Amino acid sequence: EIVLTQSPGTLSLSPGERATLSCRASQSVSSSSLAWYQQKPDQAPRLLISGASSRANGIPDRFSGSGSGTDFTLTISRLEPEDFAVYYCQQFSNSPPRYTFGQGTTLEIK
Amino acid sequence: EVQLVESGGGLVKPGGSLRLSCAASGFIFINAWMNWVRQAPGKGLEWVGRIKTRSDGGTTDYAAPVKGRFIISRDDSKNTLYLQMNSLKIEDTAVYYCSTLSDYTMGYWGQGTLVTVSS
Repeated sequence: EIVLTQSPGTLSLSPGERATLSCRASQSVSSSSLAWYQQKPDQAPRLLISGASSRANGIPDRFSGSGSGTDFTLTISRLEPEDFAVYYCQQFSNSPPRYTFGQGTTLEIK
Repeated sequence: EVQLVESGGGLVKPGGSLRLSCAASGFIFINAWMNWVRQAPGKGLEWVGRIKTRSDGGTTDYAAPVKGRFIISRDDSKNTLYLQMNSLKIEDTAVYYCSTLSDYTMGYWGQGTLVTVSS
């Protein structure tokens, strides 16, 4: 079973700063199956990035995803006030089919 | 506009059953793989299970903690996804979200419905 470990657990930054969130897999995963989601308090998650690097519809270009193999990164180039939230990475593996989420990174205002 | 609206949550005793519904609109439901994800209070996201389209066999897959207790089904004539939850445990307490599933990602989500398992 593949485990996704996100770091840091909490990231404290100020608006305008750059945020770098990490997602590390316990074994190599297909980039096509790696996604990132944003969740704000009392809201459903929202898809940000699919296929490790493709922004979902309507997602601002300050969000970018990168990585391959076991190491993936979500970067927010210049933080806006509305970006402070919890971020999850997720991957799919077969045999048996399962979807796994990381434990989340909380991005908070410093 | 894509909309997913869950309903059916509530308070149930351990060992009890509950059926959740997810009403879909704004997309061609019959062509969509669908998904349930849950989130325990203050915790992260956990995949529950998925159902493929009828044209892809209509098969289901489940996460280990719910396999044998939960059943996902769909009624394409009603554009509705279901989650039948049996033999509920305290640890099943969570907000349950339905979502679309495409190319390994969960593109659209409902607002969630809270299930509380408590005596």
